[in-house]
Parts: sequence; C-alpha cells; structure tokens
Amino acid sequence: AQRVTQPEKLLSVFKGAPVELKCNYSYSGSPELFWYVQYSRQRLQLLLRHISRESIKGFTADLNKGETSFHLKKPFAQEEDSAMYYCALMPNFNKFYFGSGTKLNVKP
Amino acid sequence: DTGVSQDPRHKITKRGQNVTFRCDPISEHNRLYWYRQTLGQGPEFLTYFQNEAQLEKSRLLSDRFSAERPKGSFSTLEIQRTEQGDSAMYLCASSPLGGNTEAFFGQGTRLTVV
Repeated sequence: AQRVTQPEKLLSVFKGAPVELKCNYSYSGSPELFWYVQYSRQRLQLLLRHISRESIKGFTADLNKGETSFHLKKPFAQEEDSAMYYCALMPNFNKFYFGSGTKLNVKP
Repeated sequence: DTGVSQDPRHKITKRGQNVTFRCDPISEHNRLYWYRQTLGQGPEFLTYFQNEAQLEKSRLLSDRFSAERPKGSFSTLEIQRTEQGDSAMYLCASSPLGGNTEAFFGQGTRLTVV
C-alpha cells in the first residue's frame, strides 16, 4: 500500500541554520514525489516536485530510491520559511497521498 | 482571485443535519479532488473527478457522503446526517490532465458539527 511518513511533527531551528525535513514513502512503482507548503492562513501550495529537480526558495529535495526517501533540505533557514510542510506521493498519475506534515519553526 | 474557490469557508451545523459544500476549480482543469484534513494530520483523499466522471472514492467516504460534478466544472460535496466525527477541514483541489502535474488547492471549508 502507498504511504508517506513524516516522522517529525515539529522542527525548530535558528535562523541561518541548515534544515532537513524528513520524508519516507512506501510504493513499489516509480514514484512521483512532491513537497507542499502551507504558510500561516494561506492555502496549501506546491513547493517543489522531484521530476523538475529544481530549487525553490533555496529548498532542494533528492529522491533516494534505495532508502525510499525524499528529504527536503535548505542550507540556511530564514524566518519566512516557518510553515507546515507536507510530503506527497502521486502513484499512477492520479491522486496524492500526503504525509502528516512537519511544522518548521525558524527562530530569530 | 482566479484560483480554486470553496464556499462556504466555515460551516457550523447540528448533528444530524445535512450540509453541502461547493468547489469551483481553476477554469479548464479536468481533474478535481476532495480531501479531508483533521487536526495534526495531512490531507486524506476522499474522491476525485476527471471531467464529470467520478473515478475513485476512498473507503473513508461512507454512504452519507456524496460528491457530484455535473457538468465537469464546479463540484459539490454533500454530507447527510452529520456526525461529530465529520468535523474537519474539507479541501478541494484541481489540476490539468497529465502526469506529474501540480494540484492547486482551495482555502478549504471548515466544518464543525455540534
């Protein structure tokens, strides 16, 4: 069965520190993986997708098929990065499976 | 705002009442999704449409829940005989056809059953 696990409910870091939000998935096929972000009082929005191999707002995520992981990383966290982050899996190009989310708190 | 819009934003209802939510997707998006989100959890899939066809329903969606997308444009989600456990944020999203496409989410409808 498809599943997305985000083991940390809350991650607190100081401004300028590196940040890594963990995501592990369970899927036997070739995965399509995404990171969505929800800032305070805003709607859920796409941050990045693995197929694009892009860097958005300094964030990157690398798919590791051996470890079935898609961790989100940023070398220097900013206060405006504080938000809820959701990892999502899209098998078979239909619906999304979301993890339970990690709240990132960047302290000044 | 040309994004996905949901109405109402908030709904308080008494247990046993029926409620209906509306979602207007981004124009020309073929796919429309309904998700439910409870406190501390990520969005859980309920159902999705491709144009007017409802292609999949989650086992979470009991017989009290029904969704329609009559003309392949807006969609409604109805909950009959609401229960306290139905209290949640109901999210709608839309996307164009094709693989690996982004889903655009609405602001959600927060349902409170008292």
